[in-house]
Amino acid sequence: IAGITQAPTSQILAAGRRMTLRCTQDMRHNAMYWYRQDLGLGLRLIHYSNTAGTTGKGEVPDGYSVSRANTDDFPLTLASAVPSQTSVYFCASSDTAGGGGNTIYFGEGSWLTVV
Amino acid sequence: GQNIDQPTEMTATEGAIVQINCTYQTSGFNGLFWYQQHAGEAPTFLSYNVLDGLEEKGRFSSFLSRSKGYSYLLLKELQMKDSASYLCAVTDSNYQLIWGAGTKLIIKP
Repeated sequence: IAGITQAPTSQILAAGRRMTLRCTQDMRHNAMYWYRQDLGLGLRLIHYSNTAGTTGKGEVPDGYSVSRANTDDFPLTLASAVPSQTSVYFCASSDTAGGGGNTIYFGEGSWLTVV
Repeated sequence: GQNIDQPTEMTATEGAIVQINCTYQTSGFNGLFWYQQHAGEAPTFLSYNVLDGLEEKGRFSSFLSRSKGYSYLLLKELQMKDSASYLCAVTDSNYQLIWGAGTKLIIKP
């Protein structure tokens, strides 16, 4: 069972370039999420999608966009990368939106360095 | 504002017991999660508490007191592989997950 697949695993990117981080899940989960994790700050939600066709902004959405054309895929795009976007990015999913006892499963992460 | 507090780092000895505390101030409460994250890897689910009391799962137990805004994760019979960060997360009234910064646990032989 693959679960959640993210690509690329790591990337060095020049500032100003456009970059899309790909995320695919095979669990048929309705809800998907993008987090960034920075030392000392914990996981911060960038964008989320409660179901295919809908997206919403999280805690730190500026500079990022997402789309949810189908259940399985949830790409994250950096339109014009800046050094402050250097981070590790985790894609995640859950069966349904709305916490409760709804366990969130994470992909392996994408390490992005913007220089 | 919403806030989750955990110690930044803890050290314990192999075979011993360690308790990792988490206090929270959130707008509402709909459950608390503990996740384990090894260095360079993704977080993985450990436990979920929504009612007061202790939930035991093998060597790991998680406790919740909603009136005190407090939880702890108890790890028994520590093994070297338990060296990891432990993340506390609370679901607020809007069912959004609020994450703590994590506690790095170092196990010494």
